[in-house]
Amino acid sequence: AQKITQTQPGMFVQEKEAVTLDCTYDTSDQSYGLFWYKQPSSGEMIFLIYQGSYDEQNATEGRYSLNFQKARKSANLVISASQLGDSAMYFCAMRERDRDDKIIFGKGTRLHILP
Amino acid sequence: GAGVSQSPSNKVTEKGKDVELRCDPISGHTALYWYRQSLGQGLEFLIYFQGNSAPDKSGLPSDRFSAERTGGSVSTLTIQRTQQEDSAVYLCASSSTGGKSPLHFGNGTRLTVT
Repeated sequence: AQKITQTQPGMFVQEKEAVTLDCTYDTSDQSYGLFWYKQPSSGEMIFLIYQGSYDEQNATEGRYSLNFQKARKSANLVISASQLGDSAMYFCAMRERDRDDKIIFGKGTRLHILP
Repeated sequence: GAGVSQSPSNKVTEKGKDVELRCDPISGHTALYWYRQSLGQGLEFLIYFQGNSAPDKSGLPSDRFSAERTGGSVSTLTIQRTQQEDSAVYLCASSSTGGKSPLHFGNGTRLTVT
């Protein structure tokens, strides 16, 4: 069974609009962490934001914020005021602390920002 | 070095040959991970190391794949008797201990099996 599900294989968004990338996860662990990474066409993997399962507030990093709904097991990435440079693949990942820190990734969402 | 270093950056090999992929993590990072990414796809977990030991080898696709890490630093991923389906980008990442610690990725090795 998939542990990390990203249901949007591709998205097209107009520049300057906000965009939400979906991520749901499956774990029985109480302690876990969620990460989002960006992969531009150059191929590098860029860390964006982290949310711990015990964090009471949603994580924010500049234009990135995480809409964390623990009961629904969802950790959606919100990008405000999108820019052309945001066009990339976005991956959601989970570290299950009770699984010896193994980190697994979803299949990704390809985001296209339109001028 | 400042970041995770992988070598070679590109490798073309003939079907049936063995290949070795190398990863030099960020100094002081205890955890090291290997992933495989086929064209346009997500990251497939292969194996990870905590120090020199590998708590989870469940992602290795077959017994043709093996990995080792020595001295808590450099890691080598070996693929024996390569097949065309092994063609992919192999990404290495390292992180320090702690739940919040993100993975720092290398630029990957693009393996092409002809």
